[in-house]
Amino acid sequence: RKEVEQDPGPFNVPEGATVAFNCTYSNSASQSFFWYRQDCRKEPKLLMSVYSSGNEDGRFTAQLNRASQYISLLIRDSKLSDSATYLCVVAWGNQFYFGTGTSLTVIP
Amino acid sequence: GAVVSQHPSRVICKSGTSVKIECRSLDFQATTMFWYRQFPKQSLMLMATSNEGSKATYEQGVEKDKFLINHASLTLSTLTVTSAHPEDSSFYICSAPDRGAGGVSPLHFGNGTRLTVT
Repeated sequence: RKEVEQDPGPFNVPEGATVAFNCTYSNSASQSFFWYRQDCRKEPKLLMSVYSSGNEDGRFTAQLNRASQYISLLIRDSKLSDSATYLCVVAWGNQFYFGTGTSLTVIP
Repeated sequence: GAVVSQHPSRVICKSGTSVKIECRSLDFQATTMFWYRQFPKQSLMLMATSNEGSKATYEQGVEKDKFLINHASLTLSTLTVTSAHPEDSSFYICSAPDRGAGGVSPLHFGNGTRLTVT
């Protein structure tokens, strides 16, 4: 079983839609959780860390469910510029584990 | 915020030559550096983990004699692709956590090196 499982999509949504991505992780001792965004032919960039109580940054909301071992990212009011691949990252010890990435395309 | 500078951003070389990629942490000490490779439309693949002052740990299937990693200082790690072949053409990215930030820092990525071997 992979350490982190993520639906690769693709997700094609119209502008203004709300879209959610999930990642499940296998190690209950995982300590830290992050969402990254990767544009085509570019390096991943940190979108937001995920905190136990959930956190929001503008149109983006991240949540952690330790009992079910998953994290989620919700994007509201999707913009064309949100089109990218979204990667979840789970860390424990000195190791970082990546999901495969979910491809999002926002359509005009 | 923490920055990792990666050079070169793009390189084209002939088959059989060696290419060195440098990653520098500009405002923090990178005791650990992760090296990834990414083929088109595929996920990041961890190649190796380097720790300052010790030998790198390579993932299964990655040849340590072909991908030489040096992490001689707290701010510099290098990956050398020796005797490159066209199948080594890929996007190589480094990343490092800022262990001095307290807690578990996110990974800070270099901007990647696109290697094309002709």
